[in-house]
Amino acid sequence: GENVEQHPSTLSVQEGDSAVIKCTYSDSASNYFPWYKQELGKRPQLIIDIRSNVGEKKDQRIAVTLNKTAKHFSLHITETQPEDSAVYFCAALYSTLTFGKGTMLLVSP
Amino acid sequence: DAGVIQSPRHEVTEMGQEVTLRCKPISGHDYLFWYRQTMMRGLELLIYFNNNVPIDDSGMPEDRFSAKMPNASFSTLKIQPSEPRDSAVYFCASSPTGGGNTEAFFGQGTRLTVV
Repeated sequence: GENVEQHPSTLSVQEGDSAVIKCTYSDSASNYFPWYKQELGKRPQLIIDIRSNVGEKKDQRIAVTLNKTAKHFSLHITETQPEDSAVYFCAALYSTLTFGKGTMLLVSP
Repeated sequence: DAGVIQSPRHEVTEMGQEVTLRCKPISGHDYLFWYRQTMMRGLELLIYFNNNVPIDDSGMPEDRFSAKMPNASFSTLKIQPSEPRDSAVYFCASSPTGGGNTEAFFGQGTRLTVV
């Protein structure tokens, strides 16, 4: 089955800095790669996704890149704010969504 | 729509007791997923249903775990007997497709503590 590795497990940045979270996947047939944000004590919620026929997608301060050849994809957050502090999960879809173990992002004022 | 609704939000039970977690998916969603979240293992898919039929239960850890979906608007996850290592947050999620190219909507989760 699919295996998704996510790094780093924790990431601390200063407000205004950029944050990058990286994921790799194992199944080359995976074709959909969403990112979820989970605030403390709350449910995971989709923040951005990318399909296998696209290399990059942006939505305001967040962007996702996909390298199908290398089987890795990344989340980029620019101009980070304290409210960006949360756990971020990447996922890859083949038959079902397989999630990475998450990255705890801490943005200090 | 109120979204995916799970109950209870918190459950504390003693080892050996039966625990039943409940989920109401978003109306019209054909797929329902049960996930378990722990610090050590992250978000694990336990089982998923398509049109009320279990499709893949390979993530169910043991025979102590069972799940049912008697109709399109209700699903249960049962643990019998429960053990302390079952303590986790259990999420139910629904999707209008198999999660492919569309969002999986999560419920608020049930925090289970087995003592």
